[in-house]
Formats: sequence, C-alpha cells, structure tokens
Amino acid sequence: DVKVTQSSRYLVKRTGEKVFLECVQDMDHENMFWYRQDPGLGLRLIYFSYDVKMKEKGDIPEGYSVSREKKERFSLILESASTNQTSMYLCASSPRLAVHRETQYFGPGTRLLVL
Amino acid sequence: GQQVMQIPQYQHVQEGEDFTTYCNSSTTLSNIQWYKQRPGGHPVFLIQLVKSGEVKKQKRLTFQFGEAKKNSSLHITATQTTDVGTYFCAPGNNDMRFGAGTRLTVKP
Repeated sequence: DVKVTQSSRYLVKRTGEKVFLECVQDMDHENMFWYRQDPGLGLRLIYFSYDVKMKEKGDIPEGYSVSREKKERFSLILESASTNQTSMYLCASSPRLAVHRETQYFGPGTRLLVL
Repeated sequence: GQQVMQIPQYQHVQEGEDFTTYCNSSTTLSNIQWYKQRPGGHPVFLIQLVKSGEVKKQKRLTFQFGEAKKNSSLHITATQTTDVGTYFCAPGNNDMRFGAGTRLTVKP
C-alpha cells in the first residue's frame, strides 16, 4: 500500500513565524502536491512537483514556497505565517502524469492554526 | 481555476434514500476520477472512468461517464450512515484539480 505521511496532524504557530510542513511518500512517485482545504472552498492546489528539484505553482501559491530535494519528500514552507493561512493542508503523491490522470494518494493532513 | 462544476454542494438525505452528485465540464475530458473524504479524514480514490458512456458499479455506488465525456455522475442507492462524507470528482487531462465536492449527510 502507498503510504503518505505528514509531519504533524495539528500545529499551532504565531503570526510571522516560518512554518515547515513535511510530506513523505514511500512509493517512489514522481509527482507530489500540496493542497489546502477550507470549508466551502474544496481542495485548492498550492504547489506541485513532478520531479526532484522541480516545482510548479498551483492556483494559490502566494505566501508559500516549496522544496523537493529528495524524491520522497516534499516540503511546504510558509515564509511568514498569517492568520489567513489557518487551514487544513493536504499532501498527495501520484505516479508520473500520463495520458490519463493518475490516482493520487493523500496524507492524513495537517491542521494548522495561526494565532 | 477548477475545470469542472460539481453539484449539489450539499445533500442531506434520510437513510435508505438515494443520492446523486454530478460533475460537469465545458471541455472533453480524457478521464475522470472520483474520491471520497470521510469527516476528519483525507480524500481516498474510489474509481476512474475512461471510456465514453462507461458505467461502473461498486456495490451500491454507480459511476457514469457521459457519452461526450464532458460529464459524470456518482449515484448511491439506499444510502447508509457509512456513506457520509464529501465526494469529489477529479477531471483528467493532466489536471490535478478537483471539483468543489458534494457533502453528503445521512439521517439515521
């Protein structure tokens, strides 16, 4: 079974702090994704990566950056946390994109509260 | 932004009633996937549809892909409390976005 793990289930940070959210997958997937989920807004794509050291902006990249130094690990960084970044953050991975969309496997999520 | 429109946003049913959620696209899709997210959980893949007019069943769940490959539906027959959650469609075409989801609640 594919396993996607996230470093924390719950996190409380203060405004202005630098926050690191870590995601690790164990299936040698090329693609990794970061989404945030807010009530009524569904899953919104922040960043994705299709290879080591590669990254692409999603729909809402402002205020975030990412790092992918190793294939299995994809980090989401909040450079200076703000209260509007309070949310559920979901990491996902999938095999390389092909003609058809590949199945995405999600981690359990990190619920971040910024005070 | 999102490539598909998913309706309804919410659906509350009595246990035993049927439920349907729809996903509509303005463009032809190469494939479409469906995911379920239980309350407090994370999205989990349910199924993928690829062929025009395809129909697949998983017990009480029936998934359809339209003839024009622009719409899809998920139908649950005789809902149970275990069906509670949010159902997302996920369009293909090398996209990694999701529909807005339909949140299903079931009254016992």
